[in-house]
Amino acid sequence: AQKVTQAQTEISVVEKEDVTLDCVYETRDTTYYLFWYKQPPSGELVFLIRRNSFDEQNEISGRYSWNFQKSTSSFNFTITASQVVDSAVYFCALSGTTSGTYKYIFGTGTRLKVLA
Amino acid sequence: DGGITQSPKYLFRKEGQNVTLSCEQNLNHDAMYWYRQDPGQGLRLIYYSQIVNDFQKGDIAEGYSVSREKKESFPLTVTSAQKNPTAFYLCASSIKQATNEKLFFGSGTQLSVL
Repeated sequence: AQKVTQAQTEISVVEKEDVTLDCVYETRDTTYYLFWYKQPPSGELVFLIRRNSFDEQNEISGRYSWNFQKSTSSFNFTITASQVVDSAVYFCALSGTTSGTYKYIFGTGTRLKVLA
Repeated sequence: DGGITQSPKYLFRKEGQNVTLSCEQNLNHDAMYWYRQDPGQGLRLIYYSQIVNDFQKGDIAEGYSVSREKKESFPLTVTSAQKNPTAFYLCASSIKQATNEKLFFGSGTQLSVL
């Protein structure tokens, strides 16, 4: 079965602190994709990053970085020097094809509050 | 600007009433999806459609119905059979339904029961 676990329900940090959001996944697929989305207060989810199962290179985009480790089935997201505008709910998601059926599974999300 | 438009932003349903949530996209995407978001439960798939005139049940389809008569439109009806309809509903689309495709989301509809 496919599963995405975001154990951190809510995190509060003070502006300029670094923060890491954890994502642990389960899948039997050999080929799969992992995603992170941001949900600001306006409601729509915004795509942040996509990573396929064969690419374990870490990625950095400005203040955002992602650490993908297949050995621990984790795809963690770090925000460096957090800002108030980073306050949102962040979702990790897993996409794969299990038994020929397309599946796109979301974690329960982590609410990040960045305090000024 | 291309995107997904959901309406209304807030909707109230009386007991026994069917209500329809609108979702329109101008991204020329083939695949469209409806998700339900409850606090602490993440997003759960209600229905999805890969092409016009075709749609499939997701994980929690009971009490909901959809249609896909046009590529741009994928309305969701919450029927009276849905006993716990209060939730935030998100419509999404992707170029096609494939494991590597990212989803584009609308800004959601909050449905509440009167």
